[in-house]
Amino acid sequence: NAGVTQTPKFRVLKTGQSMTLLCAQDMNHEYMYWYRQDPGMGLRLIHYSVGEGTTAKGEVPDGYNVSRLKKQNFLLGLESAAPSQTSVYFCASSYPARIGGYTFGSGTRLTVV
Amino acid sequence: QKEVEQDPGPLSVPEGAIVSLNCTYSNSAFQYFMWYRQYSRKGPELLMYTYSSGNKEDGRFTAQVDKSSKYISLFIRDSQPSDSATYLCAMRLQGTSYGKLTFGQGTILTVHP
Repeated sequence: NAGVTQTPKFRVLKTGQSMTLLCAQDMNHEYMYWYRQDPGMGLRLIHYSVGEGTTAKGEVPDGYNVSRLKKQNFLLGLESAAPSQTSVYFCASSYPARIGGYTFGSGTRLTVV
Repeated sequence: QKEVEQDPGPLSVPEGAIVSLNCTYSNSAFQYFMWYRQYSRKGPELLMYTYSSGNKEDGRFTAQVDKSSKYISLFIRDSQPSDSATYLCAMRLQGTSYGKLTFGQGTILTVHP
């Protein structure tokens, strides 16, 4: 099925460990985004990309890095995980001119202990 | 103060009821208004979007935007148990280069048989 696939779906990390979340889309979308969702905070933009080889910071970029080496993939890295990064992470993609037309993945539930 | 405020609920209604979900916002430059539906353990999916002020209807769903009051609403008629989900409002500035959306916190809705 066409869409946005996130891996892994669940992960538990110890403080200080590193990990990479993978997002893959097969819709040939130019734009890709990483959001985190926390209770009472809604969805907050971490980083985004407007095309292959480009990345930019969103609202809450500290502690995260991203890469977009291929158009279909957008990676989110945590170099040294902290308990404050416990959250549900969503990847999304869209065409540039499509209003509101984000396609979201199913999310990655990350717990940092 | 958050740019977009949304009552998190939870909201519980009987099947067949009319549901009203609302968001207020502070940035008068928002031009595009969206409602997303998010089922448990899933990513958000676009339900409706409107441009500037006015109403838009799609089946049992009606979206209203009142820019003078900085207030948007989503009405669900003849609510069904399958409508039980979290509803997120989202807004976007006109001409934003990367399609950034600002989300409300989400309202948890339960429709009981």
